[in-house]
Amino acid sequence: KAGVTQTPRYLIKTRGQQVTLSCSPISGHRSVSWYQQTPGQGLQFLFEYFSETQRNKGNFPGRFSGRQFSNSRSEMNVSTLELGDSALYLCASSLRVQETQYFGPGTRLLVL
Amino acid sequence: KQEVTQIPAALSVPEGENLVLNCSFTDSAIYNLQWFRQDPGKGLTSLLLIQSSQREQTSGRLNASLDKSSGRSTLYIAASQPGDSATYLCAVTGDSGGSNYKLTFGKGTLLTVNP
Repeated sequence: KAGVTQTPRYLIKTRGQQVTLSCSPISGHRSVSWYQQTPGQGLQFLFEYFSETQRNKGNFPGRFSGRQFSNSRSEMNVSTLELGDSALYLCASSLRVQETQYFGPGTRLLVL
Repeated sequence: KQEVTQIPAALSVPEGENLVLNCSFTDSAIYNLQWFRQDPGKGLTSLLLIQSSQREQTSGRLNASLDKSSGRSTLYIAASQPGDSATYLCAVTGDSGGSNYKLTFGKGTLLTVNP
């Protein structure tokens, strides 16, 4: 059974640009969550989607957005990038959000 | 607001030693608690999930316990090996639905097992 995949794995952008990250969950999983990981703040919750609906959003500015498609694949978008957005962005999927979360390898974003 | 704390932040032990990692959380209204492992530059690997109604879970050399009322969990690793070297993260899921559909993570414990 294939695991959670994330693309791209690495990304370099400059301030002011926007970026779109993609996540393909494990087949059959309908819940997809996104997290940001930085050395200073650790892992912080961004948002969670279930059956194309955003059910919960973390404490991030509106520049961070996401969506989920009918096949459960999810994308997150960050507009007007800032230096502080440099981080490892992790996606996790599960059958239901309150069950074991399976994480992808992450997308490492560097903003210059 | 749920807060999760892990102690110690770093731990170095010789191979073969048994060890305990600690996790505490401020809000006991949790649905479950998960322990993860993260290797440098990689994603997270789920190790154990304990439902709020359970007291412990075991997988191989790993045993996790949960005391929900006191807001504590421990991860016990038996006969540690160099391959166990990684960062171990504890995370809780709230049980009141709605805004609690998320994992709240601790900062992790960096474990080094020396040959």
